[in-house]
Amino acid sequence: GAGVSQSPSNKVTEKGKDVELRCDPISGHTALYWYRQRLGQGLEFLIYFQGNSAPDKSGLPSDRFSAERTGESVSTLTIQRTQQEDSAVYLCASTTGHGQPQHFGDGTRLSIL
Amino acid sequence: GIQVEQSPPDLILQEGANSTLRCNFSDSVNNLQWFHQNPWGQLINLFYIPSGTKQNGRLSATTVATERYSLLYISSSQTTDSGVYFCAVLFGNEKLTFGTGTRLTIIP
Repeated sequence: GAGVSQSPSNKVTEKGKDVELRCDPISGHTALYWYRQRLGQGLEFLIYFQGNSAPDKSGLPSDRFSAERTGESVSTLTIQRTQQEDSAVYLCASTTGHGQPQHFGDGTRLSIL
Repeated sequence: GIQVEQSPPDLILQEGANSTLRCNFSDSVNNLQWFHQNPWGQLINLFYIPSGTKQNGRLSATTVATERYSLLYISSSQTTDSGVYFCAVLFGNEKLTFGTGTRLTIIP
């Protein structure tokens, strides 16, 4: 497709389970970003990839959160041993490079029971 | 870190009215974007406007980088304009910092 694609669109899981969220950026976009948006709040930066490397992981809230990107394309965000406070919409964005407009996917709505 | 403040936090208008949303930021920025998050949660790019003025239909935006603010103008509001409008700035590295948003409700 032409835009950023995220899957699944919704995920409901029990506390303590691991979850994996996927992001397919726009073809040719070298930079990829993950954000978290809690209900009624703004977006929090989590991690940024330039190519396959992650120069800025400063937003990851704990060591339960990790992300990887392979082939300068798909990225996965993994949350281990999920907690209720992890419930949020996780948004992915991609861009052609530094300072260029970021284009967002529709997000994954994660609910931890 | 950089601070991004948006005002007003909430705005309720009658259909057809005009509105101005403001974004103040605390330092020089490399990039500024305006987004509309619709009631379904989708984030739509409105403007990429680190400086100057741009227009797109009923929407226009102006950024005065030297005075560290940006304005988003919506004319002849429609109910589909409802949602949350976010300003986001890029300072230094690639970390886009979002404001807390303005929630706009257009009443038919």
